[in-house]
Amino acid sequence: GAVVSQHPSWVICKSGTSVKIECRSLDFQATTMFWYRQFPKQSLMLMATSNEGSKATYEQGVEKDKFLINHASLTLSTLTVTSAHPEDSSFYICSARAGTGYSNQPQHFGDGTRLSIL
Amino acid sequence: KQEVTQIPAALSVPEGENLVLNCSFTDSAIYNLQWFRQDPGKGLTSLLLIQSSQREQTSGRLNASLDKSSGRSTLYIAASQPGDSATYLCAPYTNAGKSTFGDGTTLTVKP
Repeated sequence: GAVVSQHPSWVICKSGTSVKIECRSLDFQATTMFWYRQFPKQSLMLMATSNEGSKATYEQGVEKDKFLINHASLTLSTLTVTSAHPEDSSFYICSARAGTGYSNQPQHFGDGTRLSIL
Repeated sequence: KQEVTQIPAALSVPEGENLVLNCSFTDSAIYNLQWFRQDPGKGLTSLLLIQSSQREQTSGRLNASLDKSSGRSTLYIAASQPGDSATYLCAPYTNAGKSTFGDGTTLTVKP
């Protein structure tokens, strides 16, 4: 089946540091990738949608300059949390979907990244 | 704006029981609906995908149904096992180009 690899799985860093999270589709071309944030015992909150080769579309309330998303190839998207602060600590999950437009392909998820800012 | 409700929020059953998880959504203009399971501290695993033109999908002990016009989907789990313990999430995918997730049903299957 389709595999999405997300790295790192766990990051602990000091306040003010920038952190990059990678999301790769290993065996399919991901035209669209999604980045989610999940707080404990809550559901997934969509942060942004990225299409290969174009700028990401951010959800309302998500700071574009804070959460930089790059989707430079059909198999890789990155999320950079710039100048991270303790309130940015969370579980970040990426997902990927093949196909174009309103694709009927399933969405596949990475294993998530637990980010802890001290 | 799509809103997704999952009932019950939590469910605890003895091993071997058949059970039904419910999902309702407010915007019926969906392309498909996907059911996922999430284990603690992990990402989501796709279980079933139902296209808008389909009524149900089956995979092993799992069966998902979709009534698009009424905005409902159910996930049926037959002969539940302790390994089925997880949080189950439904996510309808609309022409807004994104999926909306419910808060999930946390299932505990006791040996």
